[in-house]
This record gives sequence, structure tokens and C-alpha cells, in this order.
Amino acid sequence: QKEVEQDPGPLSVPEGAIVSLNCTYSNSAFQYFMWYRQYSRKGPELLMYTYSSGNKEDGRFTAQVDKSSKYISLFIRDSQPSDSATYLCALRDGYNKLIFGAGTRLAVHP
Amino acid sequence: EPEVTQTPSHQVTQMGQEVILRCVPISNHLYFYWYRQILGQKVEFLVSFYNNEISEKSEIFDDQFSVERPDGSNFTLKIRSTKLEDSAMYFCASSEAVWGGRYTDTQYFGPGTRLTVL
Repeated sequence: QKEVEQDPGPLSVPEGAIVSLNCTYSNSAFQYFMWYRQYSRKGPELLMYTYSSGNKEDGRFTAQVDKSSKYISLFIRDSQPSDSATYLCALRDGYNKLIFGAGTRLAVHP
Repeated sequence: EPEVTQTPSHQVTQMGQEVILRCVPISNHLYFYWYRQILGQKVEFLVSFYNNEISEKSEIFDDQFSVERPDGSNFTLKIRSTKLEDSAMYFCASSEAVWGGRYTDTQYFGPGTRLTVL
């Protein structure tokens, strides 16, 4: 079983839509969860960082962690064309290592 | 805003040649990382480095790979004898810490070096 599963998409939505991106993971020991955004041919950029279960909101972005289901989500409200990118979930394994999902490619069209 | 920089942006090499990929981490950061992303695949951890030592490495990081902090600002990844399958995007990252708070252990990524092995 893979450590982190993420649907690669692509996901295409109209501007203004609510976007839901999800990952599942297998190891219940994970405590730190991140969402990175990656534009084409660029490095991953941290969007959201969550510890343990619960919700965290930052502007149009909401990260949600459900440790009982081993499920993490990122919601984007009022999506914009500039949100078009690949979104990577990442879990911290131990002190150093990030384990990434495959990334979901999102296209927001005007 | 401070950022991680990497050079070159694109490196083309022949199979069997040695390459050195260079990174300048954020100046007050103490922990350094290399990840790679083969085209169409996941970002994969290679190695982490702290206090002039490797602190963790993955199975990918075999004897062909080495890392070094040759001075106070640079962090390098050397591949001794490149193979076709080493073709990938290599990302350097750095963090202020690995423990102790919500943000101090955040890993900041550079723009990457695209390595093409012919």
C-alpha cells in the first residue's frame, strides 16, 4: 500500500467554483500535514501547514485533517485562474523527510 | 523575501559523467535537503543534511550521490557517474529547524535544476 495516495486529476473548474482536493495516507503515526502548490517547472511552495486533526483557514484556503479516516483535504473558495497549478499534499515522516502525494493538477478557467 | 536559489536551471550531461548541482539555502537556515522529481512522478526525498553531516537518506541516495556544504552559503549535490534514470528535476530545500514549532520546520524549496542525461 502506498504511503500517500492523491488523485492526479486533472481537475478543471470554472472561475469562482469551490475546489476540493484530497489525499489519503496509510500510516496513522503521521502528525504534520502540508499542502504545497507547484506551478509548471517551479519548486513546490508551501500553502498550508496543519498539525494533527482539525481545520485551518487562510484566506480562500481551508485545510482539513481527519486522522481517524487518514484523510486530508484542501478547499479553495472562489477559485481564480491564478490558482491553476499542481497541488501536492505532503506528510512529514520523522524529523526530516517529507512524503509527497502525486499531486493534483488544477485548471481554473475564466 | 528570502528564497532558496539553485544553479544551473538546466544541466545536460552525458551518461557516466559527474555533475554537481548547486544550491544556496536561506541564510539563517540550518537544515538542508535534496529532493528529486522524475517527469510525471512524485517528488521524492533524497537526503537531509545538518551540521555537516547527513541526517537521513533514502534508498535512492546510493554511493553515486554525495552532498557537501563547501562553505557558509552553498550546498551541493554530486552525482559521480550519471545514468539515464538520473534525469529528473532536482529540488533543494532548507528549513530553520526540524522541530519546535509550526513554521520553523517548514521546508522552503528552490526552483529546481532540470538534469538531462543523454
